[in-house]
Amino acid sequence: QVQLQQWGAGLLKPSETLSLTCAVYGGSFSTYYWTWIRQSPGKGLEWIGEINQSGNTNYNPSLKSRLTISVDTSKTQFSLKLTSVTAADTAVYYCARGRRFDPWGQGTLVVVSS
Amino acid sequence: DNQMTQSPSTLSASIGDRVTITCRASQSISTWLAWYQQKPGKAPKLLISKASNLESGVPSRFSGSGSGTEFTLTISSLQPDDFATYYCQQYNSGPYTFGQGTKLEIK
Repeated sequence: QVQLQQWGAGLLKPSETLSLTCAVYGGSFSTYYWTWIRQSPGKGLEWIGEINQSGNTNYNPSLKSRLTISVDTSKTQFSLKLTSVTAADTAVYYCARGRRFDPWGQGTLVVVSS
Repeated sequence: DNQMTQSPSTLSASIGDRVTITCRASQSISTWLAWYQQKPGKAPKLLISKASNLESGVPSRFSGSGSGTEFTLTISSLQPDDFATYYCQQYNSGPYTFGQGTKLEIK
């Protein structure tokens, strides 16, 4: 049974960098792409980007200029960094496995406010 | 981006009803479509992948169909646990995109 557990700062000021990490427990880490998704009332569910164990990434073009997703295969973890955040980045952020997303992490509410 | 449009946005129904939710893609996605159920405060849960493949543990009252640009999710006989928000998602090509959701409410 694969489980994803995520963590990171939940309150940021505008212009700061959002950082989240997701740990994968169980299952195969090497077979899949590992994904970040966010959900906000205004924009619904939005795919942020993905990474595989080799470090190959695909990003949403709308976020690409501010986004870095990285992987640590020794810890079976992957991370998200989003720079220069604004209020529009306020959302619940999820990690998930694959491209038909299953399972999901528990979600982290990130609020950007001065 | 491939825009996914669900209808209706809200659906009121009663226990035992048969309900259908529609999802349309702006470009063909073959059968690379997933359906999710989300309850308040929880992460979405994958119900169906590849348009019609029921995930393990998902009740057989859920079914999916379609290909190309038009897809449906059907619940054959609504149960109390089914009142939630449902999303479709295409994974034919990036950026992977979701529908705006259909909230299934108790009538």
